[in-house]
Amino acid sequence: DVKVTQSSRYLVKRTGEKVFLECVQDMDHENMFWYRQDPGLGLRLIYFSYDVKMKEKGDIPEGYSVSREKKERFSLILESASTNQTSMYLCASSSPLVAEEFFGPGTRLTVL
Amino acid sequence: GIQVEQSPPDLILQEGANSTLRCNFSDSVNNLQWFHQNPWGQLINLFYIPSGTKQNGRLSATTVATERYSLLYISSSQTTDSGVYFCAVKTSYDKVIFGPGTSLSVIP
Repeated sequence: DVKVTQSSRYLVKRTGEKVFLECVQDMDHENMFWYRQDPGLGLRLIYFSYDVKMKEKGDIPEGYSVSREKKERFSLILESASTNQTSMYLCASSSPLVAEEFFGPGTRLTVL
Repeated sequence: GIQVEQSPPDLILQEGANSTLRCNFSDSVNNLQWFHQNPWGQLINLFYIPSGTKQNGRLSATTVATERYSLLYISSSQTTDSGVYFCAVKTSYDKVIFGPGTSLSVIP
């Protein structure tokens, strides 16, 4: 089975802190994605990556950056966390051949 | 860009009842997935179904790509079916577009 894991299920940080959210997949997928989910706004794409060291902006990249140093790992970075970044963060991966997307369990981030 | 609509937005069912959820999309898509988001927030893959019909236990799905819609059938619903069901389509640029979801509550 495809497995996508995220480093934390719940995270509480303070305004101004640097926050790292880690995502690891074990299926050798080329594509990886970061979304955030908010009530009434649905899932929105933050960043995605098609290969190691490659990254593309999604629909709402402001305030975020990403890192993909290894194929299986895709990190989302909040350089200076703000309260409006309190959200559910979901990581996903897929293969360009199959194109089915698989999600991790999510990280509920609260910024105080 | 492509628009994805889902209906109904909310649904309450008695345990054992059947239901049909609908997903409409405004343009051609390369693939379509159905997900169930459980109460803990995890998105569970139900079907990868760019066209045709698939069945998995009490759930089945049909996508008619030429008419730009997909249906998810839930038969003999159980309380564990509660949650939000999302339809998601992918365009040629590999970006997934999610519908707004159908919130399902199955009551005993």
